[in-house]
Amino acid sequence: ETGVTQTPRHLVMGMTNKKSLKCEQHLGHNAMYWYKQSAKKPLELMFVYSLEERVENNSVPSRFSPECPNSSHLFLHLHTLQPEDSALYLCASSRTSGGANVLTFGAGSRLTVL
Amino acid sequence: GEDVEQSLFLSVREGDSSVINCTYTDSSSTYLYWYKQEPGAGLQLLTYIFSNMDMKQDQRLTVLLNKKDKHLSLRIADTQTGDSAIYFCAESMGSNYQLIWGAGTKLIIKP
Repeated sequence: ETGVTQTPRHLVMGMTNKKSLKCEQHLGHNAMYWYKQSAKKPLELMFVYSLEERVENNSVPSRFSPECPNSSHLFLHLHTLQPEDSALYLCASSRTSGGANVLTFGAGSRLTVL
Repeated sequence: GEDVEQSLFLSVREGDSSVINCTYTDSSSTYLYWYKQEPGAGLQLLTYIFSNMDMKQDQRLTVLLNKKDKHLSLRIADTQTGDSAIYFCAESMGSNYQLIWGAGTKLIIKP
């Protein structure tokens, strides 16, 4: 148990579907992140929320829509995705109190877009 | 812009030491990290080092930092089959939420 739980672990969707990824942490962390992981490429930061407010948005297409209803939960809403969006989507959390920013990751949601 | 580079693969024999290397470009880095990702799992922090240190040791792990050459390495002593994973190097700049990541080095253990 990593402390960060992601559901679903696997998702297959068509380009016209709407689906959501869910992330939950009960570590008392104040920041939550969505990353995209593609094979043999660096992790791409998509969104960061600190105390439920979005603080980073790295030029992500509008077909990805994040939601952070409280400090323990984070969603990534998906609609009209493209095949190149197929990847592993990782959620992470951290306690940002100065010093090293140590991330705790979930196991990821493997997304396949047909 | 900022960049972190790692070799994609490293193959070592069981029982030998593994040395995974990483180079970075931003001299204002404050912390440098090593994360491990096992198959089907998320990333797990192994260790991190503050930029004013040049070495950190934790059991079988030794981190060396050469700030002049912007080079970071992770040495795993007595490599075991359970060390098979992808190892990611990352750097951060103070309180910024943004970490700059390498593409990961896949460690392959030969019997």
